[in-house]
This record gives sequence, structure tokens and C-alpha cells, in this order.
Amino acid sequence: QVQLVQSGTEVKKPGASVKASCKVSGDTFSGNHIHWVRQAPGQGLEWMGLINAANGGTSYAQKFQGRVSMTKATSTSTVYMELTSLTSEDTAVYYCAREPSGTYNCDKWGQGTLVTVSS
Amino acid sequence: QSALTQPASVSESPGQSITISCSGTSSDVGGYNHVSWYQQHPGKAPKLMIYDVNNRPSGVSYRFSGSKSGNTASLTISGLQDEDEADYYCSSYTSSNTYVFGTGTKVAVL
Repeated sequence: QVQLVQSGTEVKKPGASVKASCKVSGDTFSGNHIHWVRQAPGQGLEWMGLINAANGGTSYAQKFQGRVSMTKATSTSTVYMELTSLTSEDTAVYYCAREPSGTYNCDKWGQGTLVTVSS
Repeated sequence: QSALTQPASVSESPGQSITISCSGTSSDVGGYNHVSWYQQHPGKAPKLMIYDVNNRPSGVSYRFSGSKSGNTASLTISGLQDEDEADYYCSSYTSSNTYVFGTGTKVAVL
């Protein structure tokens, strides 16, 4: 049974950075792409980017280019998403989701990490 | 990349059918058969309901079906049940090797 377990709630000040984690279990880590999707309060889903767990290759939404970085630690089957220069508009729940490589859909999702940006 | 366009809300009585549209461009919905649909209940993570336009993952009810014509994809829910009340989002792969979600549709079962 594939599971994605995300890190806990974060509270940050404007201008700071946040680094969320997503640990994958129950599957071959390198056989997946891990996507990050966020959802601001009362708003829709927004795709941020993905990382290829096999080779670390990334693809980011243009909106987040230069401000987001996705990395992996194969030894712990964990993916990280770092977002810098936070503003109140980055307050959201951040989800990681698993795409079996080459399938173009996310069949398993993490529980979400709430990031609140407030002075 | 602009969000795909969905109706804000759809409502219908139990047992009836509804169809949710998802309008994009030739660079996303129209250019690839990699359109997915996700269901999201309040406070929960999204759940994959349809992938590659018209395929259901194991465990998803046959009442959910998908289709595509040109730049518009559609999700149909037949035999509407109370548990179908949720938000629904389409998603498509794009020509930029990225993905884009729809604006989301709130389904209400009257």
C-alpha cells in the first residue's frame, strides 16, 4: 500500500522560506514522479511542479520559477519542496502526490502540509 | 499557463446525471489524452477519479465516466448519490511539460 506522509504545519514570516517534506513508502521510490500541488484557503488546486525520483529532473510551473526548488533523498525515499520569499499569498495547504512514472496522473496523495505566512 | 475553465457549480437531484465541462486549448486538453479528474471532499486530499480522458482507476464507481471533444473534456456522473457532493477538478498535461488544473466545480446533490 503506497503512502505519502508529509511534514507538519509551518508558520513563517513574510520573506522567509519553507521546506516541506514528503516521505514515500510501499513502492519503489525511483519509479515515480512526485508532484507538488497547493490550495489556498477556499481556493482551487494549483500545480507547482514535479520531480523525477529516478534522476532528480524537475519541471516547475512558470509562476514559481526561481522561487521553488524540489529535491530528493533516495536513501530515505523523501522528496522536499522549498519555497522562498514567502508572502501572505503563499498561505495554503501544500500536497505532494505520486505519479507512477509516465502515467501522467496522480493516484496517491499525501495528507497535506499547512503553511501559514503571517507577520 | 492559465487554469482550465470549469463551471463554478452544478446541482442536481439524487439519481439524476450531471456533466462537468473542462475547457482548455490545443496546448493542453486538445493536444494530449492526458486529462484527469479529481474529487475533493472538504478538508480532504484530492482523489483520482478518471485518468487519460476516460479510464477509471480500480475502486472508482462505474457511475463516473469521462470524454473529450476538441479542447473540451467532460466528466459525467450518473445516478447521482449524496456522497458525490464534492469539488471536482480537471487536470491536463501541457506542451510545456507541465500540468494545469481546472478552476474547480462544486457539485451539490439537492
